[in-house]
Amino acid sequence: QQPVQSPQAVILREGEDAVINCSSSKALYSVHWYRQKHGEAPVFLMILLKGGEQKGHEKISASFNEKKQQSSLYLTASQLSYSGTYFCGTAPNAGGTSYGKLTFGQGTILTVHP
Amino acid sequence: DAGVIQSPRHEVTEMGQEVTLRCKPISGHNSLFWYRQTMMRGLELLIYFNNNVPIDDSGMPEDRFSAKMPNASFSTLKIQPSEPRDSAVYFCASSLTTGTVISGANVLTFGAGSRLTVL
Repeated sequence: QQPVQSPQAVILREGEDAVINCSSSKALYSVHWYRQKHGEAPVFLMILLKGGEQKGHEKISASFNEKKQQSSLYLTASQLSYSGTYFCGTAPNAGGTSYGKLTFGQGTILTVHP
Repeated sequence: DAGVIQSPRHEVTEMGQEVTLRCKPISGHNSLFWYRQTMMRGLELLIYFNNNVPIDDSGMPEDRFSAKMPNASFSTLKIQPSEPRDSAVYFCASSLTTGTVISGANVLTFGAGSRLTVL
């Protein structure tokens, strides 16, 4: 089942902050965040695992609440280059491995203006 | 590494024709995924392979779609016969499922995609 992202769209001015949320109805093993610019492929930003392990972008942070099956992506001091569509991808809690199989949310469109 | 390589980048074909999309994953990656992206349905997982073996093809829309991975460096997604509703961008992605998160395990690297238009 597809995770639900909110908001659907965000418009910011450079330097402003934003939070994008991702919620799942299933118990999760991991949450991934990707950014896709128009006409390009999605690019990896963050991965958060059940238990707290994570790897990600130096200027972007995220949280993963395992009990609530929710994750949030925090974009601080946004730059023009942050514009794009942000997707969360979730992997179910399947015995600790899922071969990286992800179900993606519908995306959040972020636009940063000068 | 050149990343995940997909071909063709663009394909325009007529309804009923066979379409073959190709993917070369990153060397050393042991999982390969085919995703389809449309405005209406977003990013949908069609099928994925682990160590060249199809693990889950439940996302393949119907029998007109088939995928193969004959070796670790090549995969194909075939649509026969194609229909206008198959028009979409098809992404191939690969990952390494062994190792730690810090080392990059389970991070998907996507190819540039193949934009398919079926008239």
